[in-house]
Amino acid sequence: GDSVTQMEGPVTLSEEAFLTINCTYTATGYPSLFWYVQYPGEGLQLLLKATKADDKGSNKGFEATYRKETTSFHLEKGSVQVSDSAVYFCAPIPNNAGNMLTFGGGTRLMVKP
Amino acid sequence: GAVVSQHPSRVICKSGTSVKIECRSLDFQATTMFWYRQFPKKSLMLMATSNEGSKATYEQGVEKDKFLINHASLTLSTLTVTSAHPEDSSFYICSARWTGGETEAFFGQGTRLTVV
Repeated sequence: GDSVTQMEGPVTLSEEAFLTINCTYTATGYPSLFWYVQYPGEGLQLLLKATKADDKGSNKGFEATYRKETTSFHLEKGSVQVSDSAVYFCAPIPNNAGNMLTFGGGTRLMVKP
Repeated sequence: GAVVSQHPSRVICKSGTSVKIECRSLDFQATTMFWYRQFPKKSLMLMATSNEGSKATYEQGVEKDKFLINHASLTLSTLTVTSAHPEDSSFYICSARWTGGETEAFFGQGTRLTVV
């Protein structure tokens, strides 16, 4: 079945540091790739997505590129802020609406001022 | 984007009682909804797949008699935790995917259940 390997946390950074959270996946077919973010005490929110190879998803300064050859979708941000402190989940999503999502283990990011 | 509303956001109940959590897709139809459970500092674990008009499909290890799922319409799925115990305390999240073709999954805001 599908699986996701995500960088373990917690990741602790100082404000304005560069962030990379690695994500690699195995999937049947050709999934779309998503990063979700969960702020403390809240549900999941879509952060960004990419639907085909070499697509780059971006939002709020975060970026991730769909790398089919390495089956990866690493999340990056050039300068993190305290408000970015949250848990980030990588998820390949099959294109069949009835298929479940497979999540990475989640990476907790803590940004210190 | 589409909105999934989950209610209640927080609930405290006594051991032995039952709690119902609702998940509604507000502006789209979802023939399939998913229920997840999240343990502290852990990832989401799929509990069951809820199919409109039919029985839910439960993941291995999830007690279907304890976690009752009903998907009575294209916009509503409910999860009922029956005879709740303290070990059922957790964060429960539902998600839905638009049957119209979008691959994105939309999530409810989650329900924090505390059983005392």
